[in-house]
Amino acid sequence: KQEVTQIPAALSVPEGENLVLNCSFTDSAIYNLQWFRQDPGKGLTSLLLIQSSQREQTSGRLNASLDKSSGRSTLYIAASQPGDSATYLCAPWFTGTASKLTFGTGTRLQVTL
Amino acid sequence: DAGVIQSPRHEVTEMGQEVTLRCKPISGHNSLFWYRQTMMRGLELLIYFNNNVPIDDSGMPEDRFSAKMPNASFSTLKIQPSEPRDSAVYFCASRPGGGVNTEAFFGQGTRLTVV
Repeated sequence: KQEVTQIPAALSVPEGENLVLNCSFTDSAIYNLQWFRQDPGKGLTSLLLIQSSQREQTSGRLNASLDKSSGRSTLYIAASQPGDSATYLCAPWFTGTASKLTFGTGTRLQVTL
Repeated sequence: DAGVIQSPRHEVTEMGQEVTLRCKPISGHNSLFWYRQTMMRGLELLIYFNNNVPIDDSGMPEDRFSAKMPNASFSTLKIQPSEPRDSAVYFCASRPGGGVNTEAFFGQGTRLTVV
């Protein structure tokens, strides 16, 4: 079964810290992996899409890395801000799943002043 | 583009009633997904359409659930009859065609409460 695990489940850091969110998946055969953020009571906002052939993808203070062979991706957030507080979800698109994203359970991040 | 638009944003209904959720995908996107999010199970795919055709409905929990996509700009998810365990947030998402390296975009969701 193709599963996605995110560690830690929750994280609290002071403003300004750099942090890393982890995502692991059980099947290395993926087309791509997408990172989302979800604010309470809101929808999912796409942050980054990293293709299976890529090692890294950057957007502003966010950097996503992908190690497909080991089934891991990380989301690095530099100089965290209180506005970064949200739940972060990773979603690989496993090959052979007809375009379905499989979601992890998310990491709930709180950045404190 | 206004993004993926879902309606209603909130729905409260009594057990046994029919509920219809609506979605307008981003113009030009030919893949559409319905997901359900609960605290216990997280985000689960219910059904996936490609070019208005249902491709994978293996996530539809039971016959009480049905989904249609009559055209490229509209889809519905219907629950009849509704039950309290259907209470969840239902998301619609769309993705452009053109290969495997395209992003999926989500709507704001419909929070369904069945009492």
